[in-house]
Amino acid sequence: DAGITQSPRYKITETGRQVTLMCHQTWSHSYMFWYRQDLGHGLRLIYYSAAADITDKGEVPDGYVVSRSKTENFPLTLESATRSQTSVYFCASFQSLPLVDEQFFGPGTRLTVL
Amino acid sequence: DAKTTQPNSMESNEEEPVHLPCNHSTISGTDYIHWYRQLPSQGPEYVIHGLTSNVNNRMASLAIAEDRKSSTLILHRATLRDAAVYYCILRDEGTGGFKTIFGAGTRLFVKA
Repeated sequence: DAGITQSPRYKITETGRQVTLMCHQTWSHSYMFWYRQDLGHGLRLIYYSAAADITDKGEVPDGYVVSRSKTENFPLTLESATRSQTSVYFCASFQSLPLVDEQFFGPGTRLTVL
Repeated sequence: DAKTTQPNSMESNEEEPVHLPCNHSTISGTDYIHWYRQLPSQGPEYVIHGLTSNVNNRMASLAIAEDRKSSTLILHRATLRDAAVYYCILRDEGTGGFKTIFGAGTRLFVKA
């Protein structure tokens, strides 16, 4: 299916475990983003990527690791999950040339850390 | 990064126009103004964007002040389905700074 997908949609894990959230887009967009949204709050940028093998920190990168070996995939890893990382995680993408138009968001992954 | 300021919440009656304000007093000349909205339990979706001139599309209109220090998203006839959180963000496309930070947004309540 065309678009931006996230997996899993729901995940429950325990403190200290490693968790990887997947994001896949079919448009070959250059830019990809990871945001987290805590209950009742706005989105906060964790990491973003301008192209394959180019990533940069956002507002709240601590405790997270990203990689981007292929343009279409942008996985987010929580190396040692903590309860404060319980949140809804959104992946997004857009194409930057000739000008940025619309940023597309995935459906979100609801992560609970016990 | 230039910041935006929006009211926490607004209320509207169904089928009436809604004007959602956004202040961005530190906007730079290459910052585009983008609006997104987030319906309950969904990811954000694009609404509209502009640089200097007012913009219209099928969803809404964007009115940009002459000095660009503020803008207003206009929903011409609010429906119950327009109840959402509306985010005003700036994106500096002149320098390639696509960091894209979202603020707290305005929660719009629509009354039947």
